[in-house]
Amino acid sequence: RKEVEQDPGPFNVPEGATVAFNCTYSNSASQSFFWYRQDCRKEPKLLMSVYSSGNEDGRFTAQLNRASQYISLLIRDSKLSDSATYLCVVISYNQGGKLIFGQGTELSVKP
Amino acid sequence: NAGVTQTPKFQVLKTGQSMTLQCAQDMNHEYMSWYRQDPGMGLRLIHYSVGAGITDQGEVPNGYNVSRSTTEDFPLRLLSAAPSQTSVYFCASRTPSLNTEAFFGQGTRLTVV
Repeated sequence: RKEVEQDPGPFNVPEGATVAFNCTYSNSASQSFFWYRQDCRKEPKLLMSVYSSGNEDGRFTAQLNRASQYISLLIRDSKLSDSATYLCVVISYNQGGKLIFGQGTELSVKP
Repeated sequence: NAGVTQTPKFQVLKTGQSMTLQCAQDMNHEYMSWYRQDPGMGLRLIHYSVGAGITDQGEVPNGYNVSRSTTEDFPLRLLSAAPSQTSVYFCASRTPSLNTEAFFGQGTRLTVV
C-alpha cells in the first residue's frame, strides 16, 4: 500500500461544476499537508497548505481529518483553467521531513 | 528570481552511459530533493539532503548517486544509464520549517535508448 493514495481519475467535469478530491495517508506521524497543482509536463506548484481547522482560498477549500487520516480538496465553480493534475503531499517528521506525494488526480474541465 | 534551476531540460542517453543532472537554488534552502515522475506513479523520491554534506536515500535510489558539497547545488549522477531510468526528473528545495512551500525546477526529460 502506498503511503499517500489518491484516486487517479481522470475527473471530467463541465465548467461551473463542483468537484472534490480525496487523499488518504497511512503514517499517523504525518504533520504537514498540502495540495500541489501540476500542469501538463511542467513542475508542480503549491496550490494550498491544509490546516487542521480547514482552510479556503477563493474557490478552493481544503479539509483535514486526522482521525480518519484523509485530506480533501473541493473546487467550486470549475474553470477551464483548473484542468491539471492535483497532487496530495504529506510531510512526516518521523521520516526526516521528506515530502511524500500521492500519484495525483487528473482533472479535465470541459466547456 | 532564479529559484531552482535544473539542467539540462532534455537528454537522450545510450544504455551504459553516465551523466549528471544539475540542480542549483539561490534561496539558501537547507533541504533539497530529487524526484522522478513516471506515468501513473506520481513523484517518487530518489535522494534528498537536509544540508551541505548530508544526503540520504529515498524510495528509489538504485542507480543514482548524489552529493551536497554546497548549500546551493545538489547534482544527481546516473552511474550507468538503463532504459528503466527513462523518466522526468525534478529537483526541489525548501526550508526545514513546517508548512513550508517546496520549489521545483522545470524538470529534465531523460530518455535512455
